[in-house]
Amino acid sequence: GAGVSQTPSNKVTEKGKYVELRCDPISGHTALYWYRQSLGQGPEFLIYFQGTGAADDSGLPNDRFFAVRPEGSVSTLKIQRTERGDSAVYLCASSPQGLNPNNEQFFGPGTRLTVL
Amino acid sequence: DAKTTQPPSMDCAEGRAANLPCNHSTISGNEYVYWYRQIHSQGPQYIIHGLKNNETNEMASLIITEDRKSSTLILPHATLRDTAVYYCIVSREQNFVFGPGTRLSVLP
Repeated sequence: GAGVSQTPSNKVTEKGKYVELRCDPISGHTALYWYRQSLGQGPEFLIYFQGTGAADDSGLPNDRFFAVRPEGSVSTLKIQRTERGDSAVYLCASSPQGLNPNNEQFFGPGTRLTVL
Repeated sequence: DAKTTQPPSMDCAEGRAANLPCNHSTISGNEYVYWYRQIHSQGPQYIIHGLKNNETNEMASLIITEDRKSSTLILPHATLRDTAVYYCIVSREQNFVFGPGTRLSVLP
């Protein structure tokens, strides 16, 4: 079946611009996660949705970052006034039930964001 | 900060067992040990997880010490396609904290 998909696969933008990154989770998965990964490092947690609501947004670095999941499936990560330090691979993952530690997270291929 | 410590890199000969260690001396009683791996330019992939008991699936085995302060991931017959970065994570929730992991190179 279809896995987690993310679009675009690559995004190049200029400093100060606004970007949106999209994640399509596996159908039926209620939990959705966003991570970002800088070169040579492990993924860094950003935000976790259970259904439509953000259950944990403690990883968002500042108020330029915002994410939504209005209908409980597709999610959009929004970054305002991008900075060069935002350049990274943004990963999305989904799992059947976020509160069940026995559920594995299924990761998408990521969106590579480059801020010039 | 990640709550685990892993060697930065390891080599393994193709066909041999790869044993990847992980220290998690501050693990809490309700925290699970998870292993994921990331092949170059792909998203992380789940391998296995456990709480107290050793676990085995089609990909690997997970050996957790009795005091739960360390664990070992075993790939019984490593292939070239197992070359990846392997992450050990301890968590009771799903907002994983990934460390830098172990870069495993399987050599022909």
